[in-house]
Amino acid sequence: AQKVTQAQTEISVVEKEDVTLDCVYETRDTTYYLFWYKQPPSGELVFLIRRNSFDEQNEISGRYSWNFQKSTSSFNFTITASQVVDSAVYFCALSGRGYSTLTFGKGTMLLVSP
Amino acid sequence: KAGVTQTPRYLIKTRGQQVTLSCSPISGHRSVSWYQQTPGQGLQFLFEYFSETQRNKGNFPGRFSGRQFSNSRSEMNVSTLELGDSALYLCASSSGTSGSGGELFFGEGSRLTVL
Repeated sequence: AQKVTQAQTEISVVEKEDVTLDCVYETRDTTYYLFWYKQPPSGELVFLIRRNSFDEQNEISGRYSWNFQKSTSSFNFTITASQVVDSAVYFCALSGRGYSTLTFGKGTMLLVSP
Repeated sequence: KAGVTQTPRYLIKTRGQQVTLSCSPISGHRSVSWYQQTPGQGLQFLFEYFSETQRNKGNFPGRFSGRQFSNSRSEMNVSTLELGDSALYLCASSSGTSGSGGELFFGEGSRLTVL
């Protein structure tokens, strides 16, 4: 069975602080994909990144960066110089053979105050 | 291109009634998945349809059903509503092929309240 754990339920930071959202996963599949989604108050889940299990390169996109470590089954997400618009719930997710079937973590609510 | 469209956005029902939710995927996408989001259980997979066939199913009772039409639009139905069915129901579309790697595009959801 697959499992995604986001231990941080809620994080509060002040604007311009860096923040890291943790994600730990469990799977028996050798081929799998990891995702991060952002959910603003409107409810729509916004895709941020996808990583496959064979690509452990870290990725940076603007203020966002992701650290994938297979050895610790973690896929952490860092926002540099956070902004108020980053306030949202962030979900880490995992898919295996059923490519359109995602297992989500419980989410981390990020509150960025001015 | 247009995103995933879900209707209705909000609805209120009473226990015992049934409800039908609709989802129009992104043009060209053949896979539609449904997820239920509640504060207690989080996001849970309901089912996935690909080319009018149910391809995957989550662990939900038979009261939850769905279908997909030839134009890839999908509907999900919940019969004999219970209070615990109150949730945000999210629809997601994807190309559905293995190369998509599970990249899903979500709609804004239908928020169901059962009284």
